[in-house]
Amino acid sequence: DAKTTQPPSMDCAEGRAANLPCNHSTISGNEYVYWYRQIHSQGPQYIIHGLKNNETNEMASLIITEDRKSSTLILPHATLRDTAVYYCIVRPATGSARQLTFGSGTQLTVLP
Amino acid sequence: GAVVSQHPSRVICKSGTSVKIECRSLDFQATTMFWYRQFPKKSLMLMATSNEGSKATYEQGVEKDKFLINHASLTLSTLTVTSAHPEDSSFYICSARGSASFKETQYFGPGTRLLVL
Repeated sequence: DAKTTQPPSMDCAEGRAANLPCNHSTISGNEYVYWYRQIHSQGPQYIIHGLKNNETNEMASLIITEDRKSSTLILPHATLRDTAVYYCIVRPATGSARQLTFGSGTQLTVLP
Repeated sequence: GAVVSQHPSRVICKSGTSVKIECRSLDFQATTMFWYRQFPKKSLMLMATSNEGSKATYEQGVEKDKFLINHASLTLSTLTVTSAHPEDSSFYICSARGSASFKETQYFGPGTRLLVL
């Protein structure tokens, strides 16, 4: 019962912006959108999360559509070290289902 | 901040032995800890959720008598794989979540790779 849909893979040229899309058309009003990434053989790394406003931090920007049915993670200047599997996850703010449930994610490959 | 450590990072054991994996939140108090398992080329699968001082809640299909979880303090949880068999070989990852607003985010440890011979 995946709540998000992501493309299985994407390529991006080094130094260019990487835009990773995510569809979450059944998102509820109290659910946040979280992004994590997993570099090969490591634990997932938190990137960013948001509810309805766009968010930016030192790693990335998160753009959420007005209807909240989709979002885009933007890595402004991708480097080779950004090659990883990126997971988009929706999670309630409260309640027993607050654990993160991972889908298949998007394998981003940054090319030199 | 928000660092979660795991020990050991890699373990090889014989079939039938038990293995304990430790997970620590280093700079925050984790009221809830999670254990995930990941097989090669697959996504993370949640095994169990534990709250400090309470019994763990296991996901469907995860044997609670085989995967013993203890969350005795706000900074430490352990996963013991009892009577390990080759099919238990996997990448085990813990995650911790605190109670303060900033630490509501789940942070993950680096993972433990278990190989059962």
